[in-house]
Amino acid sequence: DAGVTQSPTHLIKTRGQQVTLRCSPKSGHDTVSWYQQALGQGPQFIFQYYEEEERQRGNFPDRFSGHQFPNYSSELNVNALLLGDSALYLCASSLLLGAGGYTFGSGTRLTVV
Amino acid sequence: DQQVKQNSPSLSVQEGRISILNCDYTNSMFDYFLWYKKYPAEGPTFLISISSIKDKNEDGRFTVFLNKSAKHLSLHIVPSQPGDSAVYFCAAYRQGGKLIFGQGTELSVKP
Repeated sequence: DAGVTQSPTHLIKTRGQQVTLRCSPKSGHDTVSWYQQALGQGPQFIFQYYEEEERQRGNFPDRFSGHQFPNYSSELNVNALLLGDSALYLCASSLLLGAGGYTFGSGTRLTVV
Repeated sequence: DQQVKQNSPSLSVQEGRISILNCDYTNSMFDYFLWYKKYPAEGPTFLISISSIKDKNEDGRFTVFLNKSAKHLSLHIVPSQPGDSAVYFCAAYRQGGKLIFGQGTELSVKP
């Protein structure tokens, strides 16, 4: 049973560019959440998708947007990249109304130069 | 607004001894509390969780204690092993809500 799969694993982008990160949730999960983890800090919640809609959003600007597809997979898009967007981006899947907790992928390391 | 806090950025323990990692929270509406272990450049790996209606949950060498009156939880690892060296995150959520993390505690278990 595959867990959460994220792609790509590493990415280098230039300031001002746009980036798309992808996530396939664990089999049986219906909810996808995205987190940003800067060096030395805990993961910060970006947003959560369920039934192809954004349910909740953290304190991130509109440059951060997402999408969930009918197969529950998800994308995170970041526009007009800033140096401060360099971080590990984590995807987590879960059951919206389940008690099974959250399963995380290995993350995408984004470096903005 | 930091709803989940880990006030100790690091902890060093001798192999075979007990490791105690602490976490405080402010939101009394959380339904579940979890501990994750994380290595650099990897995603967090789930360790153990506890429901808000419980005060203790044990799984092998790992035990989590929840003190709701103090809004405090702790993770005990006994006995500690060098392979336990990693960053440990405390997290919490309400049913249907977002998972909120603490800042993490880096555990170093010395042989």
